[in-house]
This record gives sequence, C-alpha cells and structure tokens, in this order.
Amino acid sequence: EVQVVESGGGLVQPGGSLRLSCAASGFTFTNYAMTWVRQSPGKGLEWVSVISGSGRTTYYADFVRGRFTISRDNSKSTLYLQINNLGPDDTAVFYCAKAMTTETSNFDSWGQGTLVTVSS
Amino acid sequence: SYVLTQPPSVSVAPGKTARVTCGGNNIGSKSVHWYQQKTGQAPVLVIYYDSDRPSGIPERFSGSNSGNTATLTINRVEAGDEADYYCQVWDRSSDHWVFGGGTKLTVL
Repeated sequence: EVQVVESGGGLVQPGGSLRLSCAASGFTFTNYAMTWVRQSPGKGLEWVSVISGSGRTTYYADFVRGRFTISRDNSKSTLYLQINNLGPDDTAVFYCAKAMTTETSNFDSWGQGTLVTVSS
Repeated sequence: SYVLTQPPSVSVAPGKTARVTCGGNNIGSKSVHWYQQKTGQAPVLVIYYDSDRPSGIPERFSGSNSGNTATLTINRVEAGDEADYYCQVWDRSSDHWVFGGGTKLTVL
C-alpha cells in the first residue's frame, strides 16, 4: 500500500525556520516525482514545489522567493522541505504527495499533512 | 501566470447530475486533473488527464476538456460526494503547477 507521512510541523516564530519531512513507503521512491502543496486555514490548495525522482530537477511557486528548498534522500525514501524566514501568511497545512511519473505529473497519493503555525 | 477559475459553489439534489467547471485560457490544450477534498481530509485524485479515473473512483465521476473550459461531472450524486473539488494543470510557460480556487459541492 502506498503511504506518505508528513512530520516536522509545529509552532514557529516569525522569521523562524522548519524542516518538514515526508516518509514514503509501498512504492519505489526513486521512480516518482514528489511534491509539496499547502493549504492555509479555510483556503484552497496552493502548490509549493516539486522534485523529480532523481532529485535533479526542482520547481518552485513564485511566493517561495528563495525561502524554501525541496530535497529528497532516495536511500531513505524521504522527501524534505526546508522552510526559512517564515511569516504569518505561511501558516498552513503542508501536504506531501506522490506524482504518477518520474518527472512532474499529477499527484495520486497524498499524506494527511503537517500543520505549520507561524506566530509570536 | 496561468489562472484557473472555478465557481465557488455548486448545489445539487441527490440522484441528480453535478457539473463543476474550470475555466482557463485555451485549457483544452492542457491536461486537467481533478481532486476531491472532504472536510478535514487530504485531497484525493478523482480524474486525471482530463477524463481518466484512478482505480477505486466510481464510474459516476467523469471529466471533459475543450476550448476554455474543463468540466468534472458527477452522475447520480450521493451525500458522500459533498466536498471541495479542485482542478489543476501544469503551466509549461512558467513550470508551475496551478490549482483552481476550488468549488464547494453541496448535496441538498
């Protein structure tokens, strides 16, 4: 069974940093691109970043503005998102999702999300 | 940047047909994917590449895409279909994934 489980969220002060993780199982991790999508309270889905199966190709949403870094450790079947210089607008549930192909494609399996709260 | 426009809400009686639209400039030239998100849950892929259905998704769910509008159609709507629905495309010009704003489907 395909499973992705996020962790690393929590309460952080404005300007702070967090490293989110997404542990994958049930599929050959290196064969699939992975993505992060966030959802602010009461709002819609907002794509954050995607990384190819090899890790060589990454794309980011414009609002990231160099503050976020997506990476993966294929030996550990784990996806990461380093998020820096957080502001109140970054408060959201961050979802990890598996793509259907090695390069970016639609997302066929999602985790339950990890909540990031930015507040002083 | 590419913009996808969805109606904020759609209401339908049980057993009837619901249609959720997703508008975008020449969206018919792109592949559209649809996600269902029930309250408090993670999104679930219900339609990909305009009209394909993942395993486990009922045949009542179908999709189409032409011109400037893509449509998710749900036949014989059930109470359990009540959810937010999001369309999604890949914008090649910016190398960005784009989501529509979402449509809340209410089953009357």
